[in-house]
Amino acid sequence: DGGITQSPKYLFRKEGQNVTLSCEQNLNHDAMYWYRQDPGQGLRLIYYSQIVNDFQKGDIAEGYSVSREKKESFPLTVTSAQKNPTAFYLCASKEGFSGNTIYFGEGSWLTVV
Amino acid sequence: GESVGLHLPTLSVQEGDNSIINCAYSNSASDYFIWYKQESGKGPQFIIDIRSNMDKRQGQRVTVLLNKTVKHLSLQIAATQPGDSAVYFCAARGPYSGAGSYQLTFGKGTKLSVIP
Repeated sequence: DGGITQSPKYLFRKEGQNVTLSCEQNLNHDAMYWYRQDPGQGLRLIYYSQIVNDFQKGDIAEGYSVSREKKESFPLTVTSAQKNPTAFYLCASKEGFSGNTIYFGEGSWLTVV
Repeated sequence: GESVGLHLPTLSVQEGDNSIINCAYSNSASDYFIWYKQESGKGPQFIIDIRSNMDKRQGQRVTVLLNKTVKHLSLQIAATQPGDSAVYFCAARGPYSGAGSYQLTFGKGTKLSVIP
């Protein structure tokens, strides 16, 4: 089945640790995105990538890092510099410049303990 | 910048009735709009989209209306069913942000509850 796979679904992080969230897509989409979702707020863009080996900061990139070494993969690292990392993280992808619609994965819950 | 809002944070409807969820956007240059449905603990699912050169678009049991004059769009769900219970987001595209990229701005969501 074609789609976007995020893992793990649930992740607990201790203070001061870095954690990496995985995102894989088999839709052959060029563009990939990471959003953060907090209760009562709209989705906020962390990072996006239009093409392999290139990515751009979104609105709330501080404390996060990404890589795009393969077209199908766009992992997100939540670093210890992110002071309030507890949230629901959504990976998404889009066909590319000509594509309009962003499609989402099922999300990953990150909790700091 | 763009802001996208929803008129009501929660909406309760009787099963079988029609639902209307509203959304306002701020940037008159927005040229493309999407409605998403998000069930609890899951990622948003695409429902329907509309371009700014259209006023209305229909899908299966859903209709999106766009009023560019007042920068408002709505999602109408016909014969609402219990499976429609979810949070509904609107998103507006634009303006062009360079590097071949348009960005979406998302509303906060309206929680639709269907009463059996």
